[in-house]
Amino acid sequence: QKEVEQNSGPLSVPEGAIASLNCTYSDRGSQSFFWYRQYSGKSPELIMSIYSNGDKEDGRFTAQLNKASQYVSLLIRDSQPSDSATYLCAVNTSGGSYIPTFGRGTSLIVHP
Amino acid sequence: GAGVSQSPRYKVAKRGQDVALRCDPISGHVSLFWYQQALGQGPEFLTYFQNEAQLDKSGLPSDRFFAERPEGSVSTLKIQRTQQEDSAVYLCASSFSGANNEQFFGPGTRLTVL
Repeated sequence: QKEVEQNSGPLSVPEGAIASLNCTYSDRGSQSFFWYRQYSGKSPELIMSIYSNGDKEDGRFTAQLNKASQYVSLLIRDSQPSDSATYLCAVNTSGGSYIPTFGRGTSLIVHP
Repeated sequence: GAGVSQSPRYKVAKRGQDVALRCDPISGHVSLFWYQQALGQGPEFLTYFQNEAQLDKSGLPSDRFFAERPEGSVSTLKIQRTQQEDSAVYLCASSFSGANNEQFFGPGTRLTVL
């Protein structure tokens, strides 16, 4: 069973702070990693993808990938109340048809 | 352009009824995925199409679940003889090429089986 683990939270941070969301995965051969945001009652919305070790920045978001340690993280700088949502990590499994496996998500609460 | 659309948005079925859920992917997207999402959980993979070919159906929970995409565009997920445990949100996603690429989700269909 290929697993993707996330702390369910909630992670509570004050407005303006950095929120750090973490995800670990079990399949060493995984190649593609994605972060999605899901507001309550809505469908997942893609935030970022990352394919190689290191950092990838997009606006206030930075994804970090460390394949040796099998973790991927998402940093949100200058957190806003509108960032309050569940953040889903998805990892494409190796072999076969590379189907993504999703973690259960981390609930983030940004309080004013 | 239009995103992924799904219909109906909400479906209430009596136990034992058959239901059909429709997904219209982003135009030109080759790959289409179906997921099941229970409350408080991440999406669970059901099945994957590349064009009209169903390349992976390993996530379908039972033979009551059937999916098709006959012309490589619109897809239908059919659940026969619905059970209460089938109650969930069914999400459809599409991507431009293979399963390794970024996926874009539709709004989902919330199925409630009474």
